[in-house]
Amino acid sequence: AQSVTQLGSHVSVSEGALVLLRCNYSSSVPPYLFWYVQYPNQGLQLLLKYTSAATLVKGINGFEAEFKKSETSFHLTKPSAHMRDAAEYFCAVTGGGNKLTFGTGTQLKVEL
Amino acid sequence: DTGVSQDPRHKITKRGQNVTFRCDPISEHNRLYWYRQTLGQGPEFLTYFQNEAQLEKSRLLSDRFSAERPKGSFSTLEIQRTEQGDSAMYLCASSFLGQGEKNIQYFGAGTRLSVL
Repeated sequence: AQSVTQLGSHVSVSEGALVLLRCNYSSSVPPYLFWYVQYPNQGLQLLLKYTSAATLVKGINGFEAEFKKSETSFHLTKPSAHMRDAAEYFCAVTGGGNKLTFGTGTQLKVEL
Repeated sequence: DTGVSQDPRHKITKRGQNVTFRCDPISEHNRLYWYRQTLGQGPEFLTYFQNEAQLEKSRLLSDRFSAERPKGSFSTLEIQRTEQGDSAMYLCASSFLGQGEKNIQYFGAGTRLSVL
């Protein structure tokens, strides 16, 4: 079975500041991990994915995440926040086959 | 490729009515998934198809819910005798699972259901 915990349901940063969104996972098999972003009243857009290749994964819009097996973490970072990054971010895990199991999401607010 | 398409985007219905949603996956994707998302929560898995075969159903999918993918292309999700607790965003995703492919799921914009 797989599960995801996202620490911090709301994160607020200043424009230009570092963004760090936390995700810890639990999986009984080697996991595939994903970050999705959701803008209001829209579906989910894939930001990046870890599928057992390089542990540092680069995604769209300047985001990246690092898979750390020893810490069972897959935190999402961006060096410099932009106003357009304000959205809800979901971490998800799968055992490589079927359904995604999502965290409860982190709402990112970017302030001037 | 136009992505995953869902119709309608919004549906308002009265309690007790039946509703049906449609999902058109990315062409040539052999897997199609349905998820439900309630306010403030992450999406929760409902069911998925590989081609026309429904391979897994969540315990969230009560007897009032039925999903089909008759020709292995588009899918429909029907809710009978809707209840207020069915109010949610219903998300569809598709993926291609094959040799060398990692089953990356791509989502549609969702259908928001409001049951009055």
